[in-house]
Amino acid sequence: KAGVTQTPRYLIKTRGQQVTLSCSPISGHRSVSWYQQTPGQGLQFLFEYFSETQRNKGNFPGRFSGRQFSNSRSEMNVSTLELGDSALYLCASSSNTGTGYNEQFFGPGTRLTVL
Amino acid sequence: EDQVTQSPEALRLQEGESSSLNCSYTVSGLRGLFWYRQDPGKGPEFLFTLYSAGEEKEKERLKATLTKKESFLHITAPKPEDSATYLCAVQEYSGYALNFGKGTSLLVTP
Repeated sequence: KAGVTQTPRYLIKTRGQQVTLSCSPISGHRSVSWYQQTPGQGLQFLFEYFSETQRNKGNFPGRFSGRQFSNSRSEMNVSTLELGDSALYLCASSSNTGTGYNEQFFGPGTRLTVL
Repeated sequence: EDQVTQSPEALRLQEGESSSLNCSYTVSGLRGLFWYRQDPGKGPEFLFTLYSAGEEKEKERLKATLTKKESFLHITAPKPEDSATYLCAVQEYSGYALNFGKGTSLLVTP
């Protein structure tokens, strides 16, 4: 089974720009979560989608948004980029059947650098 | 206040020298505790899920245990290829987010 894929793998943007990151979950997985990883804060939860609905949202400003499509693929968008948005953005998918099988499998991440 | 605290922050072991990593947590209702391994520049790799106190899981040289307040990742006779950052995360019944600790950076030298 193919793993979680994320595109692009690397991005360089300048302050004020906006960016869209893409994630394709493991086949059959309907839950997709997004995380931001920085050296100072570690891994922090952004949001989670299941069947095109956002179920959970982390403590990030409204500049961070996401969506999920009917095929479970997901995108996240960051508008008006700030220097502090430089990070590794990780996507994780889960089968999330509701029976306790909640393992999240991560993709390789998108490395975003804001100049 | 951090919900998940991992210790030590960094650990250096000689090949074959067994040790344990600690993950202490504070949550109102634990749905599951997860261990991941992360290599530099890569996404976290899933290792174990523990659901209830007293549960143990093993995989090769790794063994994870869970109590009501903490989890341990025991590494028996480690090899240099075990060098990585080990992350612990908790998931509460109230949601689906994983709340991660800052990780333990493990270096195993030959």
